[in-house]
Amino acid sequence: DIQLTQSPSFLSASVGDRVTITCRASQGISSYLAWYQQTPGKAPNLLIYAASTLQSGVPSRFSGSGSGTEFTLTISSLQPEDFATYYCQQLNSYPWTFGQGTRVEIK
Amino acid sequence: QVQLQESGPGLVKPSETLSLTCTVSGGSISSYYWSWIRQPPGKGLEWIGYINYSGSTNYNPSLKSRVTISVDTSKNQFSLKLSSVTAADSAVYYCARISWFPGSSWYYFDYWGQGALVTVSS
Repeated sequence: DIQLTQSPSFLSASVGDRVTITCRASQGISSYLAWYQQTPGKAPNLLIYAASTLQSGVPSRFSGSGSGTEFTLTISSLQPEDFATYYCQQLNSYPWTFGQGTRVEIK
Repeated sequence: QVQLQESGPGLVKPSETLSLTCTVSGGSISSYYWSWIRQPPGKGLEWIGYINYSGSTNYNPSLKSRVTISVDTSKNQFSLKLSSVTAADSAVYYCARISWFPGSSWYYFDYWGQGALVTVSS
């Protein structure tokens, strides 16, 4: 199975901060990576697919980059509604797997 | 707007079979793939498997011997059965739609149900 390791696992940030989350794959996955946001008690919500394509309706402050084994999710200016847990997911090979999550909390 | 809704028992006894159904509204179940994902309380996400519109399936090997996903296109529903459950199977179970960028293999999960908490306990 392809392992995805997110860093950091937890980060504390302020409204307006630029935030970057990294997702590293145990082997190359081209650009078959998606990012999701999950708030407590809710289902995950798709932010980005194909590593860098913004899902329709997602604010432009979210962006994704990377290919191969290293990927990043960037929030250019953190908003109150962005405090949540973020997951990366690889869809390059079966079984599809998720990272362990990065929790973003208010400083 | 596509909506997905999980339904089924919230409590299952050890060694029995967990059964959940996902009802899709606002769109046809045909022409897409449909998946189940689970999340133990306070933990991360685990992909269980998917079924496509023609009934072909793909399961996570870690669960493959116990999982069956089926589809009923006449009811716009798909279902999950997980046999021989233990406490480790207690989780929120989500159903989701799998889409892809046209002409590519760039899959993604674009619509999710609200989740169904299933507890395995005697």
